[in-house]
Amino acid sequence: DGGITQSPKYLFRKEGQNVTLSCEQNLNHDAMYWYRQDPGQGLRLIYYSQIVNDFQKGDIAEGYSVSREKKESFPLTVTSAQKNPTAFYLCASSPRDGEAFFGQGTRLTVV
Amino acid sequence: GENVEQHPSTLSVQEGDSAVIKCTYSDSASNYFPWYKQELGKRPQLIIDIRSNVGEKKDQRIAVTLNKTAKHFSLHITETQPEDSAVYFCAATYSSASKIIFGSGTRLSIRP
Repeated sequence: DGGITQSPKYLFRKEGQNVTLSCEQNLNHDAMYWYRQDPGQGLRLIYYSQIVNDFQKGDIAEGYSVSREKKESFPLTVTSAQKNPTAFYLCASSPRDGEAFFGQGTRLTVV
Repeated sequence: GENVEQHPSTLSVQEGDSAVIKCTYSDSASNYFPWYKQELGKRPQLIIDIRSNVGEKKDQRIAVTLNKTAKHFSLHITETQPEDSAVYFCAATYSSASKIIFGSGTRLSIRP
């Protein structure tokens, strides 16, 4: 189903805790992305990566960190510095200049 | 910086009528313009796309037009059906950065 997998589907975070969202793709895509979606809102770019060991900040990178050690994997860490992390997080991958395929998303809630 | 504006934010049309959603982009280097449909609680999925060397593309009831000079592109849905109800996103990307920027979305409702 698109070859891109996010886990977990639901995640609960306590105040002051770091959590990591997983994103894996087997589509051999060079580019990977993380977006945040708030209820009734659009997709805001957090980080993106064009190639292994390289990534760039998007529009709302503060309080988040990523790594791209393997082509297939692009994990996102939501740190305690992110003051309002409750949202729906979508990972995507694409070939250069091509269609982006999305994972099923992770719904993060602060408890 | 790169920006994509999308209008309207909500759209309600009678079943069988047409729906049009418009987007503008800021980066003249953008060369790929996809449209995504997102149903409630699901991931966005591509419905149609267009590249900067093409002015119009059609796939059954869905068409997209691109005006590079004005930096506008639009989605046209004809003979709307209840299953067309969803949120639609436009996006723009350019090859030098592989960065996909989305519009803010349009919630389309089809009235029976």
